[in-house]
Formats: sequence, C-alpha cells, structure tokens
Amino acid sequence: AQRVTQPEKLLSVFKGAPVELKCNYSYSGSPELFWYVQYSRQRLQLLLRHISRESIKGFTADLNKGETSFHLKKPFAQEEDSAMYYCALVSSGAQKLVFGQGTRLTINP
Amino acid sequence: SQTIHQWPATLVQPVGSPLSLECTVEGTSNPNLYWYRQAAGRGLQLLFYSVGIGQISSEVPQNLSASRPQDRQFILSSKKLLLSDSGFYLCAWTRTGTGRRDTQYFGPGTRLTVL
Repeated sequence: AQRVTQPEKLLSVFKGAPVELKCNYSYSGSPELFWYVQYSRQRLQLLLRHISRESIKGFTADLNKGETSFHLKKPFAQEEDSAMYYCALVSSGAQKLVFGQGTRLTINP
Repeated sequence: SQTIHQWPATLVQPVGSPLSLECTVEGTSNPNLYWYRQAAGRGLQLLFYSVGIGQISSEVPQNLSASRPQDRQFILSSKKLLLSDSGFYLCAWTRTGTGRRDTQYFGPGTRLTVL
C-alpha cells in the first residue's frame, strides 16, 4: 500500500536557521512526489515536485529512493515560511494523490 | 483562467441532519475532481474522486457520498451527519488524464461543525 509519513507534526526554528521537513514514503514502484503548502488564510497550493528538480522560494527536495525519503530543505528560514506543509505521492497509473499528515512549520523571529 | 469555488464557506449542522457541499470549476472542461477532508491531527484524507460525469470512486467507507451531475460540478452529501464528520472539506481539480503528474488546484474549503 502507498503511504506517506511526515514524522513531525510541529516544527519550530529560528529565522535564518536551516530547516528540514521530513517525508518518507512507502511504495514499491517509481513514485512521483510533491510538496504542498498552506499559508495562513490561503488555499493549499503546490510548492514543488521532484520531477522538476526545481527550487521554489529557496526550498529544495531531493528524492532518495534508497531511503524512500523526500525531505524538504531550506538553508535559511524566513518568517514568511511559516505554514502547513504536506508531502504527497502519486503512484504509477493512479489518478490520485496520497498525502502525509502534514507538518506545521513555525519560524520564530 | 481556471477557478474553483466551494460553498458554503462554513456550516454548523446538528447530528442526524443532511449535508450538501458544492464545488464548481470554471475555465476548464472535463477536469478530474476530488473531495478531501482535513481533520486535526489526521492530515489530508482523500474521500472521493471523479474522472467524468457520473463516475465516482470512493476511497473511504463512511456515511458520505459524492455525485457529479455536471462536468464541472462535484457535490458531497450525507443523509445523516455524525459528530465525526466535523472537519475542513477541500475540493480540488486536475486536468483530464494527467492526475498522476499534474498539479492539484484546491478550493477555499468548507468548515463543517457537527453538534
């Protein structure tokens, strides 16, 4: 079964410090992975996807198939990064996303 | 441009009452449509998805149902609400046939409180 695990429900770091939001997945095939973000009073929206290998708002995420992880990282956190972050997986041939439980990130000034 | 609407924005209903939440998409044709529930401490749970009119796939057995009477309309219903149905309900869409790769666009959500 496909599963996405985000072990940290809450994460708090200081402004300027590095941040890493953990995501592990369970899937035997070749998954496609995404990070979605929900800022306060805004809609849930796509942050980045692994297939694009892009950096959005300073965030990057590398797919590690050996460790089945897709951790989200940013070297220097900013206050506007405070939000709810969801890791999600799409399995081959599927029409749907499987989401993790989410991590609420708080950046302290 | 495409937009997705949900209403109502908030709803307070007594246990045992019926439910109807509506989601509509504008600016696209034949989208894939999704209903999610976002409950505290439980993340984002897929409830139903639809790849076309009248085609509904249920992910979680429960007292909720979904219907797609028109191409860009997706309705979430219940005949009798339970306390456990409280939560934040999100509707989302993707382009046809690309659900596994394309971005999911989310609506503003409906906050449902069952008392």
